[in-house]
Formats: sequence, structure tokens, C-alpha cells
Amino acid sequence: GQNIDQPTEMTATEGAIVQINCTYQTSGFNGLFWYQQHAGEAPTFLSYNVLDGLEEKGRFSSFLSRSKGYSYLLLKELQMKDSASYLCAVFTGGGNKLTFGTGTQLKVEL
Amino acid sequence: NAGVMQNPRHLVRRRGQEARLRCSPMKGHSHVYWYRQLPEEGLKFMVYLQKENIIDESGMPKERFSAEFPKEGPSILRIQQVVRGDSAAYFCASSPGFSLNEKLFFGSGTQLSVL
Repeated sequence: GQNIDQPTEMTATEGAIVQINCTYQTSGFNGLFWYQQHAGEAPTFLSYNVLDGLEEKGRFSSFLSRSKGYSYLLLKELQMKDSASYLCAVFTGGGNKLTFGTGTQLKVEL
Repeated sequence: NAGVMQNPRHLVRRRGQEARLRCSPMKGHSHVYWYRQLPEEGLKFMVYLQKENIIDESGMPKERFSAEFPKEGPSILRIQQVVRGDSAAYFCASSPGFSLNEKLFFGSGTQLSVL
């Protein structure tokens, strides 16, 4: 079966750095995505990792270790608008089937 | 520059009625995916379609649920004889279909409420 785990919720302070972890145990692996979802809105793409290592994009970075089945999303210089749910998702098996974790609800406080 | 368009945004049905959810993919995209999201839960894959073909429906209940993506027009997710447990947000996503592991673009979802 497919198992993707991430913390249910996290709280951080405006201006700080936060790391959201994701571990996965899946049958097949063809890449890992991070999406951001504000309440009542569409998930929006943040990052994609298929090779081990760090991908940096502005205030957001994502890391992948395939041997450990582990990824993290790093958010720097947190802003209030970063309060949202962050979804870890893995392409499993063949084709384009994307399996999501339950999401981490991040709350940014003053 | 239209993204993935879903309608209606909100849909209210009584138990036993039919619900039809529509999804127009981004321009140039030929792959469509439907996901269901319950409160406090993640997005659950339902079905993956290309034009006129169902590629993977492993996440869709065998009864009452069906999906299509005709040659012309939007993709339709149809739920017959709705029950209260069908109340959820239904998201559609699309991708170009040029290669595997493509980024999915999501619509804003349809919130289905069954009374």
C-alpha cells in the first residue's frame, strides 16, 4: 500500500524558518511534489524533487532522500500569508497517479 | 489565461438526487484527474482520464460514481443517488500529457453538500 506521513499541524513565528517533514513508503517512486493549499482554495504547486538533494526556489526549498523515503519543505522568512496547509505528494507506480499525504496545517503567528 | 475551471463552486443536493460536477482543463491539457477531500483529510485520488478514455479508476467507488471526458466539452464526475457521506470537496486537476510525472494544475473545487 501507499503510506505518506507528515505532521498534522505546526506553528511558527513571522520572520522565522520552519521545516515540514514528509516520510513515504510507496510501491514505486517517480517523484515527490509539495503543494500549498489555503482553506477553500485550489492546491498550488510549490516544488518537485525526483533526484536526491536540495531544490531552492526563493523563500522555499525542498529536500529529498530516496534511500530514506524522506523529504522536507523549508520555508524561510515566514510571512502571515504562509499560513496554509502544505501537502506532500508522491507519484507512485506507472502513469500520472499522484498520492497525497493528509497535509500539514501551518499557522504563522506574530 | 484560464486555469482549470470547475463548476459549480458549491452544490447542494438532497439524499437520492444526482450530482454532476464539471471540469474544464487548462488549454492544451489532455489529462484530467479527480480527487476528493474530506475535512481534516488529504486529497484522495478517484480517477484519471484522457480524452474519451478512463486510464485509472482505482480510487472511485464501484457503485453510483462515474466519470467521463468526452472529445468535446468538459470532464464530468457524476454521482447518482447521493448519500450524506458523499459530502466533500471534489477537486479536478489537469496536465498536458506530454510525459510522465507532470505537474498537476488544480481547480478551485466543488463543495458538495448532501442534506
